[in-house]
Amino acid sequence: NAGVIQTPRHKVTGKGQEATLWCEPISGHSAVFWYRQTIVQGLEFLTYFRNQAPIDDSGMPKERFSAQMPNQSHSTLKIQSTQPQDSAVYLCASSLENSDYTFGSGTRLLVI
Amino acid sequence: GDSVTQTEGPVTVSESESLIINCTYSATSIAYPNLFWYVRYPGEGLQLLLKVITAGQKGSSRGFEATYNKETTSFHLQKASVQESDSAVYYCALGTPYQGGRALIFGTGTTVSVSP
Repeated sequence: NAGVIQTPRHKVTGKGQEATLWCEPISGHSAVFWYRQTIVQGLEFLTYFRNQAPIDDSGMPKERFSAQMPNQSHSTLKIQSTQPQDSAVYLCASSLENSDYTFGSGTRLLVI
Repeated sequence: GDSVTQTEGPVTVSESESLIINCTYSATSIAYPNLFWYVRYPGEGLQLLLKVITAGQKGSSRGFEATYNKETTSFHLQKASVQESDSAVYYCALGTPYQGGRALIFGTGTTVSVSP
């Protein structure tokens, strides 16, 4: 069991560029969650999927951020026209139920 | 709304001293919330430390304890004697007890440094 795999581990983008973050959940887990971690805000919920269907995206900034789960083996978080304030560690987690998450190591995004 | 408030860090304690990290929650839309403590050790991913799903119960792991107090809406994390290896960031979290409910709501995290 390789756990939740997030790629890339680190990403540096220029302001205005697009960034795509990948998450491979644990096989068999039905729920996938995306969070953003910053020193100021802590761990902020972005969005989650259950059985590939979007359930709650209330934490997603309405502009520029989008998430998809085209199949049960991966989810993507896309940020268009990245801004410096998007710099954060983006965490993906998966679970069998709505508890006992297994988190990935995260993608550290730096927008310069 | 639903929220979690925890001790602001950083917190510095000496080895063998006691540690308490306060956590209070508001669960206006969740009738019977589940409560969690997650921990992120340096260089590692975020992982579950302990959870309690029933009010009045206590959870424990790695020498840490937390009691789910519905009356005071609290879930404080305590350890009687910390070790240097307990240096980490600790997150209190609130969740729904049923599938298809809301995702976990986390506090802002408390950075703990244990000095030798």
